Amino acid sequence: DTAVSQTPKYLVTQMGNDKSIKCEQNLGHDTMYWYKQDSKKFLKIMFSYNNKELIINETVPNRFSPKSPDKAHLNLHINSLELGDSAVYFCASSQELNTEAFFGQGTRLTVV
Amino acid sequence: AQTVTQSQPEMSVQEAETVTLSCTYDTSESDYYLFWYKQPPSRQMILVIRQEAYKQQNATENRFSVNFQKAAKSFSLKISDSQLGDAAMYFCAYDRGSTLGRLYFGRGTQLTVWP
Repeated sequence: DTAVSQTPKYLVTQMGNDKSIKCEQNLGHDTMYWYKQDSKKFLKIMFSYNNKELIINETVPNRFSPKSPDKAHLNLHINSLELGDSAVYFCASSQELNTEAFFGQGTRLTVV
Repeated sequence: AQTVTQSQPEMSVQEAETVTLSCTYDTSESDYYLFWYKQPPSRQMILVIRQEAYKQQNATENRFSVNFQKAAKSFSLKISDSQLGDAAMYFCAYDRGSTLGRLYFGRGTQLTVWP
């Protein structure tokens, strides 16, 4: 059983489109995150959710909107995709008092 | 702001030998967590080892161990008896240790293992 799963693994889309990436964790964790890994492999946090509430929004454009329907899910919706959005997006989760983060397998987004 | 620095963009080691990856960090906190993550070509982020700042004893996990120097803000990873499967990008990460963890990553060290 996959602990943190993301879909899709690969996503190729045209500029201006709207797309979503889904994330689910079956670890019972309270906190979920989205990280972005750029072309130079630098990882940076985008959002953090705790018990379905947004906790951290790290200067991410408004075109990015996370949605957490329940504790086990944190989806990422991106409007009006731009070339610079091309990256690998990782979902992760951790227990509130245990900061060890478990990562999904990543979604490689390519905007053409 | 917390920063994590990995000064070695690339390292290489012969199979069965030992290699040490360097990491330094900047923080004004006294309680925090440090991690090493491994990212093989499969892209999956895999936790290798973690260290709580309040623990003086260095963490070990089988062939992986750390040298944690709190005063120097240094957190190096030693891989003993290197194996071909250890080849990957290794990321050092810092977490402030609040109830809501957020990882700050270094820029990574690409480790090559030669047979």
